[in-house]
Amino acid sequence: NAGVTQTPKFQVLKTGQSMTLQCAQDMNHNSMYWYRQDPGMGLRLIYYSASEGTTDKGEVPNGYNVSRLNKREFSLRLESAAPSQTSVYFCASSEGGRPTYEQYFGPGTRLTVT
Amino acid sequence: QKEVEQDPGPLSVPEGAIVSLNCTYSNSAFQYFMWYRQYSRKGPELLMYTYSSGNKEDGRFTAQVDKSSKYISLFIRDSQPSDSATYLCAIGTQGGSEKLVFGKGTKLTVNP
Repeated sequence: NAGVTQTPKFQVLKTGQSMTLQCAQDMNHNSMYWYRQDPGMGLRLIYYSASEGTTDKGEVPNGYNVSRLNKREFSLRLESAAPSQTSVYFCASSEGGRPTYEQYFGPGTRLTVT
Repeated sequence: QKEVEQDPGPLSVPEGAIVSLNCTYSNSAFQYFMWYRQYSRKGPELLMYTYSSGNKEDGRFTAQVDKSSKYISLFIRDSQPSDSATYLCAIGTQGGSEKLVFGKGTKLTVNP
């Protein structure tokens, strides 16, 4: 049981390049999330998916797109990377509903845009 | 005003000290409260959660919620060097969206 896995672990992009961050969970969770974490800013929600086939914007969606490929996988795409997107990206999943709203996080992807 | 405010610290204490970490929130609709712990270069992991005002204990950790003051705390007794991490409060509403709002995190160092 690997939990939440993310690939790649590290990435360096040039401004204007595109890339997709991959996330998969093996806990049969309904909900999945993408966050970015920046110094002094905490965790900020980019997009989330409450269930397979649905996605919604979070606090900071501009410059990103997502795909909920199936129940296990939720990808985040940067179409034209900008230096402001340099950050650590975390994927998370949750079962959905009571009794706990616990979110399980992956190990993160460290992205640098030059 | 931010929905959740958390003093970022950093906080440095000697081993064995009692640590108090705090968050305030502005939206009275928030109904469940969590504390996550994040070690350096790792993802956050859930430490404690509670849905009601009052105290909840788990070993050396106590989570305290005061809904009337919109104030939550995490106390760590007999702190250990292994407790050195960033602690994030996370708050959410029951029903509907299951989004959590996170505090910015407080970085704690426990010195041997």
